[in-house]
Amino acid sequence: AQKVTQAQTEISVVEKEDVTLDCVYETRDTTYYLFWYKQPPSGELVFLIRRNSFDEQNEISGRYSWNFQKSTSSFNFTITASQVVDSAVYFCALSEADTGNQFYFGTGTSLTVIP
Amino acid sequence: DVKVTQSSRYLVKRTGEKVFLECVQDMDHENMFWYRQDPGLGLRLIYFSYDVKMKEKGDIPEGYSVSREKKERFSLILESASTNQTSMYLCASSSLGTAREKLFFGSGTQLSVL
Repeated sequence: AQKVTQAQTEISVVEKEDVTLDCVYETRDTTYYLFWYKQPPSGELVFLIRRNSFDEQNEISGRYSWNFQKSTSSFNFTITASQVVDSAVYFCALSEADTGNQFYFGTGTSLTVIP
Repeated sequence: DVKVTQSSRYLVKRTGEKVFLECVQDMDHENMFWYRQDPGLGLRLIYFSYDVKMKEKGDIPEGYSVSREKKERFSLILESASTNQTSMYLCASSSLGTAREKLFFGSGTQLSVL
């Protein structure tokens, strides 16, 4: 079974629109970590954020915000006022304390921001 | 700037060839990983290493082997390349061995096997 599900394969928005990327995860561990990575066309995945299972506070960083809800096992990512530079593939990932070296990645969401 | 460097950005090989993909990190990280990325499948772990000369199989190790003779270098080896190994290969590293540590990635090697 997929531990991390990103149901949106591709999304296109017009510049300045807001967009939310969905991530649903599955784990039985009580201690786990959730991540978002951005993969621009250059290929290198860039770390965006990490959240641990005990911290459900939402986080905002500039135009980016993340909504972590344990009740729905979701860790969604919103870009406000999208820009062309936001065009990339975004991956959500899970790591569990019991299997420290193992990361479970979603299949990614390809975001295209149209100028 | 910390870096994970993969030796080639694009590589074209023929079926049956032995292929070496090299990865070097300059962050003194203990853990290193090899993933392959395919459309619709996301990132899948091939092998990882948590110390020099140590290795662990990931989800899809068949057809691959690895070598870690020095802490900073982690090599992925395709003993006899096949067309179904055409893919993007990503190397990553992280410090320590805990689940909280983020991964640092290289830019990837797009391998085509003809």
